[in-house]
Amino acid sequence: EAGVAQSPRYKIIEKRQSVAFWCNPISGHATLYWYQQILGQGPKLLIQFQNNGVVDDSQLPKDRFSAERLKGVDSTLKIQPAKLEDSAVYLCASSLGGRNYNEQFFGPGTRLTVL
Amino acid sequence: AQTVTQSQPEMSVQEAETVTLSCTYDTSESDYYLFWYKQPPSRQMILVIRQEAYKQQNATENRFSVNFQKAAKSFSLKISDSQLGDAAMYFCAYIGWSAGKSTFGDGTTLTVKP
Repeated sequence: EAGVAQSPRYKIIEKRQSVAFWCNPISGHATLYWYQQILGQGPKLLIQFQNNGVVDDSQLPKDRFSAERLKGVDSTLKIQPAKLEDSAVYLCASSLGGRNYNEQFFGPGTRLTVL
Repeated sequence: AQTVTQSQPEMSVQEAETVTLSCTYDTSESDYYLFWYKQPPSRQMILVIRQEAYKQQNATENRFSVNFQKAAKSFSLKISDSQLGDAAMYFCAYIGWSAGKSTFGDGTTLTVKP
């Protein structure tokens, strides 16, 4: 079974530029999560999708971050414009969903450096 | 809102010894799941062990076991017979039953000394 795929693995941009990350969850997984992990900290949930609907985006900085999950499969996370403090690893995770299937499987992450 | 607190930023253990990592959480929900995840340096996050809040029996996976105290909202991880490959950052995580909302602690870095 293929795992959660993310691309790119690394990205370096200058502040005020835009960037987009892509995530392909495990086939059949209804729930998809995007996390921001700053060095030395735990993952902070940015947005959670159930199929193509948003369950929680309370910690997503909506003035600069946006995310979508078209057709309930792949997802993209965009930052526009980027700030220095956005430097972090962006993790995507997926789970089957439902009350008994909530183990999250994580992708390798995208390491973003904003200069 | 749920919170997860890991009070030990760093821990070390001698190879073959036992170590316990602490985690406390706060929630108003009665049904939820708790997890311990392992994140080796520059590698992917992987699940170590999970505990359903409605189960009184503590979960065990080989050398890993938990001490789940629901009333105290405590969820510690015990690693027995520590191995060099156990060196990693360990995260405690909470997922609510109803909407599956997820909260992670800030992690504990475990060093295993040969």
